[in-house]
Amino acid sequence: AQTVTQSQPEMSVQEAETVTLSCTYDTSESDYYLFWYKQPPSRQMILVIRQEAYKQQNATENRFSVNFQKAAKSFSLKISDSQLGDAAMYFCAYMGPPSGTYKYIFGTGTRLKVLA
Amino acid sequence: NAGVMQNPRHLVRRRGQEARLRCSPMKGHSHVYWYRQLPEEGLKFMVYLQKENIIDESGMPKERFSAEFPKEGPSILRIQQVVRGDSAAYFCASSPNTGTGVRAFFGQGTRLTVV
Repeated sequence: AQTVTQSQPEMSVQEAETVTLSCTYDTSESDYYLFWYKQPPSRQMILVIRQEAYKQQNATENRFSVNFQKAAKSFSLKISDSQLGDAAMYFCAYMGPPSGTYKYIFGTGTRLKVLA
Repeated sequence: NAGVMQNPRHLVRRRGQEARLRCSPMKGHSHVYWYRQLPEEGLKFMVYLQKENIIDESGMPKERFSAEFPKEGPSILRIQQVVRGDSAAYFCASSPNTGTGVRAFFGQGTRLTVV
């Protein structure tokens, strides 16, 4: 079964600095998607960024970018110029066969604290 | 276009009572998914429904839990005879279609507390 591992339960970053959140996953498939979701205290799950496995180019969304290493099955999230509003739980997720083309497999999350 | 609406946001039930959680998907979305989040954990898939059909219930506990998505009205997740271990946040998500990589939109969740 697919698994997603986030080995950092908690991370801290100084405002305006850069932080990288780690994620590794296990799959024998070649075509799948990876996601990072942000969950602030409101509990709303907010999509941060999405990566298609067949694309070699790393996805970017403004201050958020990923380092996708397919062979190493690694999918880290880099947040540049951290802001107080970035403080939240961050979940890495896998979507793809054979667990289901519609089913997210989430990691256990990393709590990000942003220090003023 | 309103997002995925879940209600109630908070629900308190005594052990042995029934809990009914409602989810109205985004307009135009006919695919609904339910996830459960235990404290300090990630979300875990429970069930995937289309209108009037359960497509995948592989994540649902075998007893006391059921889900429906009728032709008219919201999707309902029903938990009978709740126990303390059912305390969790329950999230609903919806999508307009399905397929690998299709993004699902999440509601804000219902936090169920069993006392």
